[in-house]
Amino acid sequence: KQEVTQIPAALSVPEGENLVLNCSFTDSAIYNLQWFRQDPGKGLTSLLLIQSSQREQTSGRLNASLDKSSGRSTLYIAASQPGDSATYLCAVSGNTPLVFGKGTRLSVIA
Amino acid sequence: AAGVIQSPRHLIKEKRETATLKCYPIPRHDTVYWYQQGPGQDPQFLISFYEKMQSDKGSIPDRFSAQQFSDYHSELNMSSLELGDSALYFCASRERGYDTQYFGPGTRLTVL
Repeated sequence: KQEVTQIPAALSVPEGENLVLNCSFTDSAIYNLQWFRQDPGKGLTSLLLIQSSQREQTSGRLNASLDKSSGRSTLYIAASQPGDSATYLCAVSGNTPLVFGKGTRLSVIA
Repeated sequence: AAGVIQSPRHLIKEKRETATLKCYPIPRHDTVYWYQQGPGQDPQFLISFYEKMQSDKGSIPDRFSAQQFSDYHSELNMSSLELGDSALYFCASRERGYDTQYFGPGTRLTVL
């Protein structure tokens, strides 16, 4: 059974810092991995999707990498802003629909 | 751009009542997924439909049922509601040939 773990569970950084969120999964037989952002009580916004054959994807200040063989992905956020404060979830898709991690709650302090 | 529409956005029910949640996928999306997110929890997959047929089943209780209609919208029917059913219910849709699931804003169900 696929299990997804995200470390750290919470992170607080000053504005302007670069930061890395980590995601690991137990079954490397995945089709793709998605990173989502969720604001409190709100829906899920897809940030980046990495196919299993890809190593990384970039969108603006966000860069996500995937090492399928080791079961790891990272989300790099450059020059963090207070508006980046949210919970970031990673989810993997394999033989079953998306399996989510419990998320990293990010606070960017102005 | 059109997004996934869910209705209602908020719903309050008593124990043992029934509830129906609706999901309208993005145009041209033929696959619909339902997820349940309890307080402080990660979303858990419930059930999915492709071309009006159930395509996968997750941790959906027997008290719940769902279907996808000819216009691709989907409904999640929940009966004999329990306090533990209080959660955010998300619908996501996907277009055939593409991998990204697009999530709706969710329906917040509160069972009293």
